[in-house]
Amino acid sequence: NAGVMQNPRHLVRRRGQEARLRCSPVKGHSHVYWYRQLPEEGLKFMVYLQKENIIDESGMPKERFSAEFPKEGPSILRIQQVVRGDSAAYFCASSPPVVNTEAFFGQGTRLTVV
Amino acid sequence: QKEVEQDPGPLSVPEGAIVSLNCTYSNSAFQYFMWYRQYSRKGPELLMYTYSSGNKEDGRFTAQVDKSSKYISLFIRDSQPSDSATYLCAPYHTDKLIFGTGTRLQVFP
Repeated sequence: NAGVMQNPRHLVRRRGQEARLRCSPVKGHSHVYWYRQLPEEGLKFMVYLQKENIIDESGMPKERFSAEFPKEGPSILRIQQVVRGDSAAYFCASSPPVVNTEAFFGQGTRLTVV
Repeated sequence: QKEVEQDPGPLSVPEGAIVSLNCTYSNSAFQYFMWYRQYSRKGPELLMYTYSSGNKEDGRFTAQVDKSSKYISLFIRDSQPSDSATYLCAPYHTDKLIFGTGTRLQVFP
């Protein structure tokens, strides 16, 4: 059984470029969550998605950030016009349809903005 | 005030010691309380969770919740060097996990 797969593991972008982070949930999981971990800080919730729907995006910055979970394919977290402050580890988690409390995390994508 | 407070450590103990990791929280509506373990440069791994107040045991790990004082604990018995990691408490509420900053634990041989 494959766990949550995130790619790339490391991503370097120059200021102003776009970053695309991909997440394939555990097979059979229809709920996807994105969290961000800034240096020396805890993980912060960003967005909760189900297939083709954004359920809760209360943790997403209002500008430049967007997320999707299409009917087919991985979930994508997109950051436009990246700035140095976007440098962080971005983690995706998935959970099965009924048991939201059992969220399994991927290994994360470490974004560095130079 | 942060929703979840956790002493960042590091906490350094000898192999075989009993470890106590703690969190406090502010929102009395929290009902589910998770503990995650995160090794360096890895994703968080769910250790166990409890619902409402009480204890739950799983092998060498015991999770304890006291809702009256809004206090969450994780005890590790017979600690091993392989337990060296950051431990994150995370109440689950309204479809999201609310993480503490984590406590870094080092178990030396």
